[in-house]
Amino acid sequence: DGGITQSPKYLFRKEGQNVTLSCEQNLNHDAMYWYRQDPGQGLRLIYYSQIVNDFQKGDIAEGYSVSREKKESFPLTVTSAQKNPTAFYLCASRETSGTYEQYFGPGTRLTVT
Amino acid sequence: AQSVTQLDSQVPVFEEAPVELRCNYSSSVSVYLFWYVQYPNQGLQLLLKYLSGSTLVKGINGFEAEFNKSQTSFHLRKPSVHISDTAEYFCAVISSGGYQKVTFGIGTKLQVIP
Repeated sequence: DGGITQSPKYLFRKEGQNVTLSCEQNLNHDAMYWYRQDPGQGLRLIYYSQIVNDFQKGDIAEGYSVSREKKESFPLTVTSAQKNPTAFYLCASRETSGTYEQYFGPGTRLTVT
Repeated sequence: AQSVTQLDSQVPVFEEAPVELRCNYSSSVSVYLFWYVQYPNQGLQLLLKYLSGSTLVKGINGFEAEFNKSQTSFHLRKPSVHISDTAEYFCAVISSGGYQKVTFGIGTKLQVIP
């Protein structure tokens, strides 16, 4: 089955540690996205990538970093500089032409204490 | 710049009653419009989309939406809701050119009351 996988589903870290969230897709999509979801705030875009080796900051990129070395992978690192990292993180992908809709992974809930 | 406004953060409705979830957008360029549904602790799933053509679009689970260009709206409707429709619904737009930026609304929680 084609789709997007995010691992792990739940992640716990101590404050001051960097943590990397995994996102893999086998849909052959060019574009990939990372969103952060907090209650009552909808989805806020962290980073997006339209093509391998290229990515753009979204609305809330501070304290986060990404890489796009392979078409199918778009890992997100939450650094210690992110002031309030506890949230639900969603990865998505889509074609860059044609249908335009995004396909979402199941999400990773990160808790930092 | 583009933005999406979902006017209601929560909508309670009795089972088998009709429902409308409102969405308005603003954009300086042409956009495509989407509604997604999210069940608790899951990712988002596409309900329906408007790219072009007929302004009334039908989606999964009996939902439909109407694109109104003059009012810059894309309201979601269902004539009779079920308990299983309890979820959060997100309206989204994507610009048709350039980096095709995607913008989501803050979501509307639909609570279906038995």
